[in-house]
Order: sequence, then structure tokens, then C-alpha cells
Amino acid sequence: AQSVSQHNHHVILSEAASLELGCNYSYGGTVNLFWYVQYPGQHLQLLLKYFSGDPLVKGIKGFEAEFIKSKFSFNLRKPSVQWSDTAEYFCAVIPPMDSSYKLIFGSGTRLLVRP
Amino acid sequence: DTGVSQNPRHKITKRGQNVTFRCDPISEHNRLYWYRQTLGQGPEFLTYFQNEAQLEKSRLLSDRFSAERPKGSFSTLEIQRTEQGDSAMYLCASSLTSGMDEQFFGPGTRLTVL
Repeated sequence: AQSVSQHNHHVILSEAASLELGCNYSYGGTVNLFWYVQYPGQHLQLLLKYFSGDPLVKGIKGFEAEFIKSKFSFNLRKPSVQWSDTAEYFCAVIPPMDSSYKLIFGSGTRLLVRP
Repeated sequence: DTGVSQNPRHKITKRGQNVTFRCDPISEHNRLYWYRQTLGQGPEFLTYFQNEAQLEKSRLLSDRFSAERPKGSFSTLEIQRTEQGDSAMYLCASSLTSGMDEQFFGPGTRLTVL
């Protein structure tokens, strides 16, 4: 079945460490890609999105993601994490030709940043 | 606060009871989505409205589930004869007409079916 995969379910880092969270999707054609974040006790918020153009996308709070079409990947990165980045991160895709523009989410990655 | 709001935030019910959740989207947003999120999973799409028209329903949405958006503003999601498997977080999101616009999520309604 077509899907979005996030292989790292739990990640623990120390402050200032670099972060990379993997996201792979299995849809062919043109997809729109997103990373959402859910901080403890808060609702889902958009970190960044990719529709077209430069495959390196910059988002809020120093996050960036790189779209690699040949690898069907959209990995999230941050050079130096902070304790406040502790949250759950979700990769999401709008499938090709989907007129509803519904989001298909991965299962999420829980990030814990130790001070 | 001009974000998406959902009520109630928490609902505990006994199996077999009916429950109804409400979502108030951002006022100018035409598109409204319902998702369901269970523990350890990402949100899963349930249904979608463009204004008052329900244009798509997931196969996850059994006959016990019904959603409405009567005047193209707020929406309700009703679950009849609840089952323990319905326990989940129910999320609402809204966006502007263009599909490329960001979906803004509400805080969710956490349903526990005993």
C-alpha cells in the first residue's frame, strides 16, 4: 500500500547535537511534502513544506528538509538541537492528483533532547 | 484566539453510547478536515468538507460515523453506538480554498470508550 514511513520512532539527543529524521514515501508522481511538529500539550503545527523548486526547504526554528526525488525521501534536519525541540515530529504527504489535498501522515518520531 | 477550536477536549463514554464532537475552523477557511489519531500513530484522514459539501470519506469512516458542516462554518462529528476501538484523538483541521494552503489543526478531542 502507498504510505509514508518514518523509521525512527524514538530519538534521544543531547543539546547541540545535530538532528536528522528520516521520511520516505511510496507515491509515484508529484507529491507535496510536509513536516509537522507537536510540542507537549500543544496542537500540530507546520514546520515546513515542499511543493516545487529548490529541494532544500527551510522552515521555522532553524529546521530544514531536503527532498530527494530519486530516493523518495524528505528528511528533516537541524544542525544543533535545543531542549525546546523536544516534541513529536510527523512527516506528511499530499498524494498525487488528490483533489481533497488530504494529508497522509507517517507514524511520527518522538524526539527527546536532554539538557 | 483565531485558531481552530474543538469541543469538548475530552470525552469519556460507555460503550454503546453516542457522542458528538464540534469543530470551529478559522473563519475564512473553506476546507475542513477530520482526522483520527491513535496511540503511536500519525493522524489518519476521516473526511473532508469544501464549504458545506462533504466531498470525501475514508473507508475508516464506518456507518456509525457521520459528519456535517451545515452552513459551511462549524462541523460536527457524531459516533453512534461507540465501541472501545473508537478510543482515539479526533483532530479537526481547516485551510483556505487552495489545496496548497497550510492545514491548521485544532487541539483535538480525546475520546475514551469504556
